[in-house]
Amino acid sequence: GDSVTQTEGLVTLTEGLPVMLNCTYQSTYSPFLFWYVQHLNEAPKLLLKSFTDNKRPEHQGFHATLHKSSSSFHLQKSSAQLSDSALYYCALSGSSNTNKVVFGTGTRLQVLP
Amino acid sequence: AQTIHQWPVAEIKAVGSPLSLGCTIKGKSSPNLYWYWQATGGTLQQLFYSITVGQVESVVQLNLSASRPKDDQFILSTEKLLLSHSGFYLCAWTRQISNERLFFGHGTKLSVL
Repeated sequence: GDSVTQTEGLVTLTEGLPVMLNCTYQSTYSPFLFWYVQHLNEAPKLLLKSFTDNKRPEHQGFHATLHKSSSSFHLQKSSAQLSDSALYYCALSGSSNTNKVVFGTGTRLQVLP
Repeated sequence: AQTIHQWPVAEIKAVGSPLSLGCTIKGKSSPNLYWYWQATGGTLQQLFYSITVGQVESVVQLNLSASRPKDDQFILSTEKLLLSHSGFYLCAWTRQISNERLFFGHGTKLSVL
């Protein structure tokens, strides 16, 4: 079945440094990939969604490129901010027409001053 | 505009007692509906999804059940709560089209004592 693998656990870095959170997936079909962000005591919100035409989605300084050859959709930002501290989920959907959304286990990002 | 409402916002329940959590989507007909669970400090786990009234697919049951009595309503319930049921329950919806983003409700925080 479909699956998503993310950078495990906690990623800690200093404000101003670049961010990269890994996401790889396995799917028989060509799914769409998403990044969701969840701040403390809030519901997850969409951060990015992959495009079909290889465009690179960007939002709030974050970007991710879908690489079908390596089945990856890594999340990147050039300079981390304190407010980026949150839980980040990579997810895929649209595979095999089941309408099921598959989430990775999540990566907690902690940005320190 | 579509809105998603979850109830209650929070619950404190005793082990062995019944539970019913609800979710209503307004402004969107025939949405796909989802229940997710998140242990305190943990990651998102999909429990159930539904693409139409009366039809619910189980992903992980955790001694819970779900029903969709109306097009805009999704119910999560159990007759006997366990300590392990504590956590954050999120309802979400997508359009009836593949590859669509999830819209999450604000969630219900459940504490089982």
